[in-house]
Amino acid sequence: GESVGLHLPTLSVQEGDNSIINCAYSNSASDYFIWYKQESGKGPQFIIDIRSNMDKRQGQRVTVLLNKTVKHLSLQIAATQPGDSAVYFCAENPGDFQKLVFGTGTRLLVSP
Amino acid sequence: KAGVTQTPRYLIKTRGQQVTLSCSPISGHRSVSWYQQTPGQGLQFLFEYFSETQRNKGNFPGRFSGRQFSNSRSEMNVSTLELGDSALYLCASSFRDLGTEAFFGQGTRLTVV
Repeated sequence: GESVGLHLPTLSVQEGDNSIINCAYSNSASDYFIWYKQESGKGPQFIIDIRSNMDKRQGQRVTVLLNKTVKHLSLQIAATQPGDSAVYFCAENPGDFQKLVFGTGTRLLVSP
Repeated sequence: KAGVTQTPRYLIKTRGQQVTLSCSPISGHRSVSWYQQTPGQGLQFLFEYFSETQRNKGNFPGRFSGRQFSNSRSEMNVSTLELGDSALYLCASSFRDLGTEAFFGQGTRLTVV
């Protein structure tokens, strides 16, 4: 069935470090992927997206990498700040209109 | 531009009751999707509406239903509430009907007692 999984449930980093959050997806037909950040008590916040015809996309302090061969997605956050502490979800669009399949989430803890 | 607005933010209901949650999408967005978020199951897709038509439905019982109005606002209804329906219900809106950014509201926290 459809599943999007994460390798690490919790990632602890020091302020200023670069963070890498990984995600595996199972549906090879998926052509659109999104990373979300969710802070306590809030809804998921859109961070960055990537389509399957790209391998890499950069935003402000964030980079998403897509490896379709091994069905792997990663989110890199440069110079991680305490405000980046949150749960990060990857989401996959398997082509069912706007349906998103979410990963289990990785909690990022940033220490000052 | 205002974001996705969900009302109410918090709700406490008794088992067996029904509940209606509301979602107002970003202006101009015609697609509205609903998700249930629980600690055990994570974020799970409920259904999606586009131009008042349900385009897709997740694996939830028929007690979960929804609709979309001509102004793109959407409601979801849960009948005969069960304890396991306690969750954060999230609404997301998108401009188009396939593979574009989906923006979420703050959610409605439903507690069933």
